[in-house]
Amino acid sequence: NAGVTQTPKFQVLKTGQSMTLQCAQDMNHEYMSWYRQDPGMGLRLIHYSVGAGITDQGEVPNGYNVSRSTTEDFPLRLLSAAPSQTSVYFCASRGRGLLTDTQYFGPGTRLTVL
Amino acid sequence: GQQVMQIPQYQHVQEGEDFTTYCNSSTTLSNIQWYKQRPGGHPVFLIQLVKSGEVKKQKRLTFQFGEAKKNSSLHITATQTTDVGTYFCAGPNTDKLIFGTGTRLQVFP
Repeated sequence: NAGVTQTPKFQVLKTGQSMTLQCAQDMNHEYMSWYRQDPGMGLRLIHYSVGAGITDQGEVPNGYNVSRSTTEDFPLRLLSAAPSQTSVYFCASRGRGLLTDTQYFGPGTRLTVL
Repeated sequence: GQQVMQIPQYQHVQEGEDFTTYCNSSTTLSNIQWYKQRPGGHPVFLIQLVKSGEVKKQKRLTFQFGEAKKNSSLHITATQTTDVGTYFCAGPNTDKLIFGTGTRLQVFP
């Protein structure tokens, strides 16, 4: 199993540009999430999904869109990049249930917005 | 909404000293999880605690879940340089997993 994969690893954008961060998992997990990590701020939930076709907002959803057309993929779209979106983005997945709540993280995408 | 706080934010220790990080939730949790993130890496699952008052050990690491299921702690005995990283606790909130603010541990040889 590849686990959770993310592309790209690094990205530099100019203000106003749009892009999609890709995330895929091969563990047949129902739950997938996107977090951003800023220095001293921990991991903040952007959007999450409990299954194909179902998405919901997390703590900091503004400026981001998601979709979940398949169980495997959960892309994150930046509509119009802003310097405040410079961060490290982590995608994560987990199975359903009390004892299967372990979350697996991808390697992250380091995004810089100029 | 649910908040999960950790203290301290940073801890610098000499190799061989002990280290403890504390996690406090504003709401009762069904379970608590702990993750470790090495510098430049991604968070990796360490353990999950489910029962009130539960204590689990992993070699030099001791994890505890409070009786009220609102707080937890991670204690490392005799730290080593390999323990360097940020330790996060996380608690479920319906379908979401909410992470604490993290404690960054630096170990000096």
